[in-house]
Formats: sequence, C-alpha cells, structure tokens
Amino acid sequence: AQSVTQPDIHITVSEGASLELRCNYSYGATPYLFWYVQSPGQGLQLLLKYFSGDTLVQGIKGFEAEFKRSQSSFNLRKPSVHWSDAAEYFCAVGFNDMRFGAGTRLTVKP
Amino acid sequence: SQTIHQWPATLVQPVGSPLSLECTVEGTSNPNLYWYRQAAGRGLQLLFYSVGIGQISSEVPQNLSASRPQDRQFILSSKKLLLSDSGFYLCAWSVPVGSGNTIYFGEGSWLTVV
Repeated sequence: AQSVTQPDIHITVSEGASLELRCNYSYGATPYLFWYVQSPGQGLQLLLKYFSGDTLVQGIKGFEAEFKRSQSSFNLRKPSVHWSDAAEYFCAVGFNDMRFGAGTRLTVKP
Repeated sequence: SQTIHQWPATLVQPVGSPLSLECTVEGTSNPNLYWYRQAAGRGLQLLFYSVGIGQISSEVPQNLSASRPQDRQFILSSKKLLLSDSGFYLCAWSVPVGSGNTIYFGEGSWLTVV
C-alpha cells in the first residue's frame, strides 16, 4: 500500500544550526514529491517539489531537498535555521492521490 | 488566477446530525479535488479525491462521503456525525498529473462535534 513516513515527530535545533527532516515513502513507482510548511494558525505553504531530473531541488526560504531513489527518501535540509522557521513540516507524495506524512514539528532555540 | 473557497469556516454540530462542507475552485478547469482531515498531532489524512465529475476515490471507509456535482465543486457530507469526526477539514485542488500536480489548499473548516 502507498504510504509516506516522517519518522521524527518533533525536532529541536538551535538558531544557526543545520537542519534535516526525514521523509520516506512506499509506492509502486517514483511518485511526485513535495514538502509543505504550516505555521501556527496558518495554511499550508509549498516549500519545494520534485517531479524528475536533478535529484537536488531548491525551494523557498533557503530550503533544499534531495531525492534518493535507492532509499525511497526525500529529506528536507537547511544549512542555517532561523527562528522564523519554527513550524510544522509535511512531506507529501503521490500522483492523483496525494498523501501527507504525519508531520514534523520544528522548534528553534535562541 | 486560481482561487479556492471553502465554507463554513467553523462548525459546531451535535452527534448524529448531518454535515455538509462545500468547496469551489475558480480560475481553472478539470482540476483534481481533494478532502483532507487534519486531527491534532496526526498530520493530514487523505479522505477523498476526485479526478473528474462524478469520479470519487475514497481512502477511508467511514461515515463520510464526497460528491462532485460540478467540475469545480466538491462537497463533503455525513448523514450522522460521530465525535471522532471532529477536526480540521481542508479542501484542496491541483492541476492533474502531467503538469506536476502541486496541491493548493483552501483555508479549512473547523468542525467540532459535541
């Protein structure tokens, strides 16, 4: 069955530190891959997406993600986290059926 | 430009009462349409998606149903609400597969079943 997993429910990092959020999926073929961010009381905003081509994709707000077919992963990274990055992050995969992971809540320490 | 409207924004309903949440999309044709539920700490659960009028795929065998009477209209319904139906419901749309299928969300509807 198709599924998407975000293994980390909650991550805390210090401001200025690097960040990696994990996403793994199980699909019959390589699906479309997305990362969204949701700030408290806000809707979901698209950070980046992967359809094909270069496996390292750049997004907004300094985020990037790398698609690794062999690991069925699409991890989100940022070299230096800002306090404003504190939010909930969702990985999404699929074709017509877009499925979301359970989310990873990011806390940024001053 | 494309816009998505979802209503009502908040709803408090007693157990056993019916439900109707409505969503419309403007500025695009033949979109994929979705209903998601976001429960606290549980991420976004795909409930239904539709690739065309009258075509509904159900992901969860619960007391909810969805209908697409028009190309850009998607309705989430229930005949009898349960307490467990409480949550944040999000309608979304996308351009169909082949154009990337990026999902765009409505502002959501808070449902509290009491």
